[in-house]
Amino acid sequence: EAQVTQNPRYLITVTGKKLTVTCSQNMNHEYMSWYRQDPGLGLRQIYYSMNVEVTDKGDVPEGYKVSRKEKRNFPLILESPSPNQTSLYFCASSLYLDLPKTLSSYNEQFFGPGTRLTVL
Amino acid sequence: KQEVTQIPAALSVPEGENLVLNCSFTDSAIYNLQWFRQDPGKGLTSLLLIQSSQREQTSGRLNASLDKSSGRSTLYIAASQPGDSATYLCASGGGYQKVTFGIGTKLQVIP
Repeated sequence: EAQVTQNPRYLITVTGKKLTVTCSQNMNHEYMSWYRQDPGLGLRQIYYSMNVEVTDKGDVPEGYKVSRKEKRNFPLILESPSPNQTSLYFCASSLYLDLPKTLSSYNEQFFGPGTRLTVL
Repeated sequence: KQEVTQIPAALSVPEGENLVLNCSFTDSAIYNLQWFRQDPGKGLTSLLLIQSSQREQTSGRLNASLDKSSGRSTLYIAASQPGDSATYLCASGGGYQKVTFGIGTKLQVIP
């Protein structure tokens, strides 16, 4: 089954304790992205990756790191989590992102189930 | 910077009614616009994606339109059902542009 998986689904941690949220897709997608969702703010993009070893900042990258060593995996790393990073996190992927506009239907994004993170 | 707005924030309608959800964006140079559905505590499910060169897309009871000149997209839901109750999100993006989401419209369809 084609899907985006995230682990863990729920995580409660304490301030300063490094953590990693994994994201994996089995659709051979080039583009992957991380979002956080907060009440009243909607979904905001943290980082995205156009392809292996190519990553770029979204709108709210502070306090996060990512890596893209393999096409299928795009982990989100919080080196020193703080309470303001308590949020619902989503990983997404799409086949391509850099295409002519006439082919941009391949940009359809598929989302993982989400990871609810609480930082105490 | 692209800004995406969805109005209304919440909507309650009786079952069977046709309804329209609105999405507006400030930068018309988008590659595509995608509509999603999000159920409480769940992830996002893609509903429709409209390329910038297209005017509308249809899937079953759903029809999404795009008017880049006015910076607007609408999602039309025909003959609404209680199972349509969810939050509906629109997102602009594509190309090297970052993806920008609206905050969403929470829809409740009353039996």
